[in-house]
Formats: sequence, structure tokens, C-alpha cells
Amino acid sequence: DAGVTQSPTHLIKTRGQQVTLRCSPKSGHDTVSWYQQALGQGPQFIFQYYEEEERQRGNFPDRFSGHQFPNYSSELNVNALLLGDSALYLCASSLRTGGNQPQHFGDGTRLSIL
Amino acid sequence: SQQGEEDPQALSIQEGENATMNCSYKTSINNLQWYRQNSGRGLVHLILIRSNEREKHSGRLRVTLDTSKKSSSLLITASRAADTASYFCATTRKLVFGQGTRLTINP
Repeated sequence: DAGVTQSPTHLIKTRGQQVTLRCSPKSGHDTVSWYQQALGQGPQFIFQYYEEEERQRGNFPDRFSGHQFPNYSSELNVNALLLGDSALYLCASSLRTGGNQPQHFGDGTRLSIL
Repeated sequence: SQQGEEDPQALSIQEGENATMNCSYKTSINNLQWYRQNSGRGLVHLILIRSNEREKHSGRLRVTLDTSKKSSSLLITASRAADTASYFCATTRKLVFGQGTRLTINP
């Protein structure tokens, strides 16, 4: 039973470029959340998708957008990349049943902005 | 603002000793979860404690919750080198994590 998978594992971009990160949730999960984790910090919530719609959003600018597909997989898009966007981007999946479900995380995409 | 804040920020102990880390939060919660993160990897769910529970055990893990003080503690007994990791608490409201406790187990 495959867990959460993310691609790519590493990515290098330059300022001003755009990037798309991908996530496949754990089998049977219908909710996907994205987090940004800077070095030495805790994960910061970006947004959560359920039924192909953004349901909750953290304190991130509109440069960060996402999408969820009918098969529950998800993409995170970041436009106009800044040096400060360098981080580990984590995807987590869960079942949308009242918020008492643990989240299952992938190993992340390490994004470096030059 | 951060919903969960772990304390201490770093903890170093000898293998076999017990490790205790604490978490404080600011608003009401439905439940609180603890996660572990090995270096460069994703987070792994350890345990969930509901707001109407005061203590919960899972193997060598013991979690307590004091809703009157808005705090939780995670105790790892008989620590092992493999327990070296960062530990985070999180409340499901807005899915906010603290900065974590970096635990180092010395052989």
C-alpha cells in the first residue's frame, strides 16, 4: 500500500520562475494539505484541498496556488519565485472525517531558489 | 501566530534515559497530535489525544493533555538512538505546527 508520494524530490529554480510540485495521496485518502518548511523551522500550512476545492488557507500570498484532481492527487504552483521560497515542501493526506484523523506525510520536495 | 509551541527547542540525553518535551497552545482544541520528523524526511504521526482525554499511551510513548493549562507533554521512555529526530505538536484547528523539539540520543 503506497504512502504519500511527491515529485520531484529536488528542484532548483531561479528568481522569477514558476514551479509545479506534485503529490499523490495515500490510497483511500481524499484530502490533501500542503506545507512549507524552512530550514530549522516547523511546517507552515499553505492550504488544504478536498473535493477539488481549496477548503482552508494559511498566510501565504496568491503566488501560491493549487489544484486537486478527481483522483485526489494534487499540485502546488508557485509563481514569481523569490529567494525566500527556498524550503522543503511537504504534502500530507488524510480522510476528511471531522478533523480527528492523523495526516500522512510524503518526504517532500526540496526547492532551492538561486 | 503559532498554535503549538514546543519546549525545549533542543534536548540531548543518553541512550536509555527518558525524554520529556512539552507543547503549549493558545486556543481551544478538539485534539492534539504529536509527530516525529527524521532529518530530511516527512513527518510521521505518533499519537493523537482528544480534548476529553488526559493521558494516552502507545508503546514507549506517553502523552498527557491539560486543557486548563493549554499544554501537552510527550514522554519517550528508555530512549534509543533511533529516537533522534525533531518532534512537533499540532492542533487540527488551522493545522498549525510549532517549531519542534530537536531530540538527540547519545549512545
